Amino acid sequence: DVKVTQSSRYLVKRTGEKVFLECVQDMDHENMFWYRQDPGLGLRLIYFSYDVKMKEKGDIPEGYSVSREKKERFSLILESASTNQTSMYLCASSRFYEQYFGPGTRLTVT
Amino acid sequence: GIQVEQSPPDLILQEGANSTLRCNFSDSVNNLQWFHQNPWGQLINLFYIPSGTKQNGRLSATTVATERYSLLYISSSQTTDSGVYFCAVEDTGTASKLTFGTGTRLQVTL
Repeated sequence: DVKVTQSSRYLVKRTGEKVFLECVQDMDHENMFWYRQDPGLGLRLIYFSYDVKMKEKGDIPEGYSVSREKKERFSLILESASTNQTSMYLCASSRFYEQYFGPGTRLTVT
Repeated sequence: GIQVEQSPPDLILQEGANSTLRCNFSDSVNNLQWFHQNPWGQLINLFYIPSGTKQNGRLSATTVATERYSLLYISSSQTTDSGVYFCAVEDTGTASKLTFGTGTRLQVTL
């Protein structure tokens, strides 16, 4: 079974804090993704990575950066958290086409 | 970019009823997946189905790629089927990037 884990289910941070969201997959997948999900807007792609140290911008990269130093781990970084980044963050991984998702991190920025 | 529309947006069923969810997409696709998002936010893979028909227990899916639609059938629905069903597609020009529909929210009542 594919397993994708995320470091926290719930997180509360203050405006201006630097926030790290971690995602780990155990299936040696090349591709990893970060999405955010908001009511009425659905799931939107923030960043993705095809390989270690590779990254590509998704549809809404502003205010975010990513890091992939090891194949199994993909980190999403909010350099200076803002209230409009309050959202559900979902990580996914894939080898070819089929994507598998982690349980999500519900982030609240106050 | 590719457009993905799902219908109906909301559906209420009595336990034991059958239902059909529809996903229309605006261009050719490499990948089409159906997901179920449970009440805790976890996205669970149901089908990877860029074309053809697949069945898994009470669920089945059909994609007619030439006509740009996919259908998800749920038979003998149970309360545990409640949640949001998403269709997601990857168009032929954007390797590995999934575009999600806005979902069908299903509630199954006793």
